[in-house]
Amino acid sequence: AQSVTQLGSHVSVSEGALVLLRCNYSSSVPPYLFWYVQYPNQGLQLLLKYTTGATLVKGINGFEAEFKKSETSFHLTKPSAHMSDAAEYFCAVISNDYKLSFGAGTTVTVRA
Amino acid sequence: GAVVSQHPSWVICKSGTSVKIECRSLDFQATTMFWYRQFPKQSLMLMATSNEGSKATYEQGVEKDKFLINHASLTLSTLTVTSAHPEDSSFYICSAPLVVDTEQYFGPGTRLTVT
Repeated sequence: AQSVTQLGSHVSVSEGALVLLRCNYSSSVPPYLFWYVQYPNQGLQLLLKYTTGATLVKGINGFEAEFKKSETSFHLTKPSAHMSDAAEYFCAVISNDYKLSFGAGTTVTVRA
Repeated sequence: GAVVSQHPSWVICKSGTSVKIECRSLDFQATTMFWYRQFPKQSLMLMATSNEGSKATYEQGVEKDKFLINHASLTLSTLTVTSAHPEDSSFYICSAPLVVDTEQYFGPGTRLTVT
């Protein structure tokens, strides 16, 4: 079965600093991996996805993630945090029966 | 892009009553939709998979008689919480994929409060 683990339930960064959110996956087959962002009282918005091909994936709002098979990781980064990046971030993997399995989520706060 | 809507965005109902939540794919057809439940400060928990024209499949521990799902058309799935109780208060979110094994597009969620 496929699953993901997000390391760190809360990340606090200064505005302009690097944002790094960690996600490790477990999968018996090549995984399809996703990062979603959720703002308060809203649904989830897709930031980026990895299916096949290039391992460095660029998404919206300046985020990118790198698929590292050797480390079973799919960490999300953004070089310079903005106040609007404060939100909840979820890493997810698609399972064999096409269901999404989510990590526990990481709350990002941005300090002025 | 692929847009999924939900209605209502929030609802308050009295204990013992039923409430229906709609999930619509606005610009694409969705043979499959998913229903999630999210408690405060927690991740999404998949409740059930809604299949157009057939019965929904429920995750372990989800009461199918309490959470009735109907997927009557390629653009609409409904979740009815029957005989609601305060512990059913939660944020309910639906999603649908454009293609079954690709990313899912999420609705904005429905906040249910049972008093």
